[in-house]
Amino acid sequence: RKEVEQDPGPFNVPEGATVAFNCTYSNSASQSFFWYRQDCRKEPKLLMSVYSSGNEDGRFTAQLNRASQYISLLIRDSKLSDSATYLCVVNSGHSGAGSYQLTFGKGTKLSVIP
Amino acid sequence: DADVTQTPRNRITKTGKRIMLECSQTKGHDRMYWYRQDPGLGLRLIYYSFDVKDINKGEISDGYSVSRQAQAKFSLSLESAIPNQTALYFCATSDRDRGPYEQFFGPGTRLTVL
Repeated sequence: RKEVEQDPGPFNVPEGATVAFNCTYSNSASQSFFWYRQDCRKEPKLLMSVYSSGNEDGRFTAQLNRASQYISLLIRDSKLSDSATYLCVVNSGHSGAGSYQLTFGKGTKLSVIP
Repeated sequence: DADVTQTPRNRITKTGKRIMLECSQTKGHDRMYWYRQDPGLGLRLIYYSFDVKDINKGEISDGYSVSRQAQAKFSLSLESAIPNQTALYFCATSDRDRGPYEQFFGPGTRLTVL
């Protein structure tokens, strides 16, 4: 099983739609979880951290299910500017020096269509 | 000015040449990382450094070496470039004292080895 697995998409949705991305991770010791956004040929940028209680930032909601080792990202009222690749990222949770390594999913591509 | 800068931004070279990619940061972070990104493979960790005297191999370190010249500078070298090292290379930083340890990326270097 891959460490961090995402549906590669692409997801093509109309403006105003709600879209959800899912991600599973294999390391049950993982401690920190993130969603990054990457525009074409640009660097990944942190979108939001994911907390056990779930968290919301405007139109974006992230949720974590530790028992199922599952992370989700919900985008409401999609905008054209949301078109990008969304990377699920997990702290590998190893002890010692490896504690701060991040493992990146391959990303889910979103295209929001006018 | 960008917090994490990379030079050069684009480089075309020939097989067998030695190449150095440089990364500088003004974020004051102690931890620095080098990744490569290939289509369909996502981001993979090459090397990481937790301070000036600390260097660690990542997932795919073969064919690469690094130098941490100062807290703010981390360079990646390809001693003898080969075509399968053609990729997009990213430098990233993180802060030891700032949980949950998200990473901040430079703009990337697009390397082509002919």
